[in-house]
Parts: sequence; structure tokens; C-alpha cells
Amino acid sequence: NAGVTQTPKFQVLKTGQSMTLQCAQDMNHEYMSWYRQDPGMGLRLIHYSVGAGITDQGEVPNGYNVSRSTTEDFPLRLLSAAPSQTSVYFCASSYRIRPYEQYFGPGTRLTVT
Amino acid sequence: QQQVKQSPQSLIVQKGGISIINCAYENTAFDYFPWYQQFPGKGPALLIAIRPDVSEKKEGRFTISFNKSAKQFSLHIMDSQPGDSATYFCAASIHNTDKLIFGTGTRLQVFP
Repeated sequence: NAGVTQTPKFQVLKTGQSMTLQCAQDMNHEYMSWYRQDPGMGLRLIHYSVGAGITDQGEVPNGYNVSRSTTEDFPLRLLSAAPSQTSVYFCASSYRIRPYEQYFGPGTRLTVT
Repeated sequence: QQQVKQSPQSLIVQKGGISIINCAYENTAFDYFPWYQQFPGKGPALLIAIRPDVSEKKEGRFTISFNKSAKQFSLHIMDSQPGDSATYFCAASIHNTDKLIFGTGTRLQVFP
């Protein structure tokens, strides 16, 4: 089991560029989510999905898009990068019957200049 | 109010001492209270979790104490070790949803 994988590990973007952060899990988890981690702010939920074809907004969704075409994959798209999106991004997944037990990926450190 | 307030922001403890991290919440619709541990450069990992109908849960050196009437819960790390140095997040899951709300984190440093 690879668990939750994320690519890339590091990325530098210029303001206005777009990109997709990849996330995949091989545990057959129904629930997948994206968080951003900023100093002093904890982990804030961006978007989440409870199954293929179903997504919803979290606490800080603006500037980000998601889709879930398969159980395994949950990519996060930055439409037009802004310096305020400089952060560490984590993907997580869990079984719906145990939502408190989320498995996190290793993270993507994104810098927008 | 879907917030979990965590304190302190940072904590320095000597090896062998007790580390205590506190969290408080307002929303009574929370139904599980997990703690996550994060080492530098890694994603958070579940450490221990408690339900609100239980006042205490212990796993090895880690104990969660839960006070339902005060809407507070805390993590105690007994006999703290340098290997426990990490950032700890409390969290709460919202009943009938899949969402977790995280506290702002506590950076624990244990010195030998």
C-alpha cells in the first residue's frame, strides 16, 4: 500500500499561472480532502469529496477547483495563482464511517512569486 | 461556531516531564475528537481519538482527557521524550458530515 501520494513535492509558480496538484490513494477510501497549512493557522479545509462525482467546498475554496472522476484520484487545480496561495498543501483520505481517522499525504510546498 | 481553539502555540518541556496541550470548542455537534502528530516535512498522522461519552482515553504515554460540560479536551504526554518533538493538532469531526475542523497547532520541543 502506497497510502496517499502527492505530486509534486515542491513547486514555484509566477502570479497568474495555473497548475494542478495531484493526489491519489490506494486504500479505497470514499472521502478525500485538500487542506492548506499556514503558520499559526492550522490546517484549513479547501475542498472535499465523499465519492466519485461528488465534491463540495470547505472553509477556504476561493481560487481552487477540484474534480473526482475516480475513487483513487482527487486533483486540486489553481486557476490563476496568487502570492496568498503560497502554502503547504495536504491531501487526505478516510473511510466515511471513520471520518476522524484521516490519512495524509506528504504535502506539496507551493511558492507563488 | 465551527472552531476549535488550541493552546499553547508552543511548548518546551524537559525530557521525562509532562506535556499538556489544551483545546476548547463551541459546537456541540462535534462527535469525535482526534489528535494528530506532525513531524517536520511530513503530513499529520492520527495519534489518538476520543468520543464525547468517554472522559479519558490512554494509549501508552499519551492520554486524552475530555470535559464535556466545559467543552474542553486536552492531550497529556507523560515521560516526554525528544522523539515526541513535533507539532500537535487537536481536531473535531462534525456529526453526520465527513469534515474535520483542526486547531491551530502546538509546536512541542522536548530537550534532553
